Amino acid sequence: DAGVIQSPRHEVTEMGQEVTLRCKPISGHNSLFWYRQTMMRGLELLIYFNNNVPIDDSGMPEDRFSAKMPNASFSTLKIQPSEPRDSAVYFCASSFPPPRTSGKRETQYFGPGTRLLVL
Amino acid sequence: AQTVTQSQPEMSVQEAETVTLSCTYDTSENNYYLFWYKQPPSRQMILVIRQEAYKQQNATENRFSVNFQKAAKSFSLKISDSQLGDTAMYFCAFRRGSNYQLIWGAGTKLIIKP
Repeated sequence: DAGVIQSPRHEVTEMGQEVTLRCKPISGHNSLFWYRQTMMRGLELLIYFNNNVPIDDSGMPEDRFSAKMPNASFSTLKIQPSEPRDSAVYFCASSFPPPRTSGKRETQYFGPGTRLLVL
Repeated sequence: AQTVTQSQPEMSVQEAETVTLSCTYDTSENNYYLFWYKQPPSRQMILVIRQEAYKQQNATENRFSVNFQKAAKSFSLKISDSQLGDTAMYFCAFRRGSNYQLIWGAGTKLIIKP
């Protein structure tokens, strides 16, 4: 069973360029998360989707960042224009609600990440 | 607000030894979940083990086990018979039962030496 798929795995771009990161969640998962990881700030939640709807985007740094989830199997995170301080590893994670009778709760499964370098 | 503290920035042990990584958290909630994630040099975030706060029994996954002390708000990870492939950053994370947000610790860098 395929895990969360992210592309590209590495991206090097110049300041001012548009960057688009892509994510395919695990099939059947209805929650999707975008994170950013840097040495200085650790892991930060950028945005959370549930059933393709953005629920919490309070972590999105500024208007240069936007995220979409047009359907249950695809999401994008766009940075326009990019800046050197956006350099980080960007993770996508997905989860699903287990049956209520199982007593279990959601666990987030992470993709391999996209390492972004903005020069 | 909930916080997660990992007091060991880096640890190093010999292969086959047992190592324990510490994690403490602060919350007034009674229903919550605790996780250990592993991040090897490949940068992939991998779930290692999960503990539900309402369960008194410590979670175990093969060589990985936790010592969950609810009253002390402590959630340590024990790795038995450590292997070179265990070399990674290990993150402790907390989640309220009614919330989707993970609160992360700063991580512990674990190095397994041959």
